[in-house]
Amino acid sequence: AQSVAQPEDQVNVAEGNPLTVKCTYSVSGNPYLFWYVQYPNRGLQFLLKYITGDNLVKGSYGFEAEFNKSQTSFHLKKPSALVSDSALYFCAVRDDPAGGGNKLTFGTGTQLKVEL
Amino acid sequence: KAGVTQTPRYLIKTRGQQVTLSCSPISGHRSVSWYQQTPGQGLQFLFEYFSETQRNKGNFPGRFSGRQFSNSRSEMNVSTLELGDSALYLCASSLRGSGSSSETQYFGPGTRLLVL
Repeated sequence: AQSVAQPEDQVNVAEGNPLTVKCTYSVSGNPYLFWYVQYPNRGLQFLLKYITGDNLVKGSYGFEAEFNKSQTSFHLKKPSALVSDSALYFCAVRDDPAGGGNKLTFGTGTQLKVEL
Repeated sequence: KAGVTQTPRYLIKTRGQQVTLSCSPISGHRSVSWYQQTPGQGLQFLFEYFSETQRNKGNFPGRFSGRQFSNSRSEMNVSTLELGDSALYLCASSLRGSGSSSETQYFGPGTRLLVL
C-alpha cells in the first residue's frame, strides 16, 4: 500500500527565513506526489506535483519541492517565508494510474507557523 | 473557469438521520472523488466516480454511498448518521482521473457536517 509520512506536526519559522516541510513516501511503483495547502475553514489548494522529470519542481506562490528517489523524500521548500504562508500543508501520493486508481493518500499534515 | 463547488457548506443533523451532499466539478472534468477529513483520522478517501460509475472505493461502511449524474455532478449520501460522521467532506475533480498519470485533483471548499 502507498503511504506518505510527514514527521513534523508543526514547523515554526521567522518571516523572511527559508522554510522546509518534510515528506517521505512509500510506493510500490512510480511515485506520483503532490503538495496541497489548507487555510482555516477552506478546502485544499494545489501547490505542486511530481510526476516525472526534474527533481526540483516549482509550484504556486513561490513554493518548490525537491524529489529525492534514494531518500524517498519530497520536501516542500520556500526561500523566504511570509506570514500569509501560515497554514496546514499536506503531502499526498497518488495510486498508480496504470492500476486504475485515482485515490490520493495523504500525510497527517504539518502546521506551518510563520512569525514576524 | 469556476472551481469545484459544494453544497451545502454547513449542515447540522442528529444521529440516525441521513444526509445528502452535492458536488459540482470544474467544467469539463469527468472524475469526481470524495474525501472525509477529521481531526483523528485525517484525510481519507471515500470513493471516486467517472462517467456515472463508481471506479474506486475506500474503506468505509455501506452507510456511505454516492452517485454521479450525466453532467458529472456528484452526490454522496450518508444514512443512519453517527456522531463519528462529523467531519469536513471534500470533493475533488479531475479531467479523467485514472485515465491520466499527470492529472491534478482540484478540491472544493468542503461541506462541514456536524452530527448531534
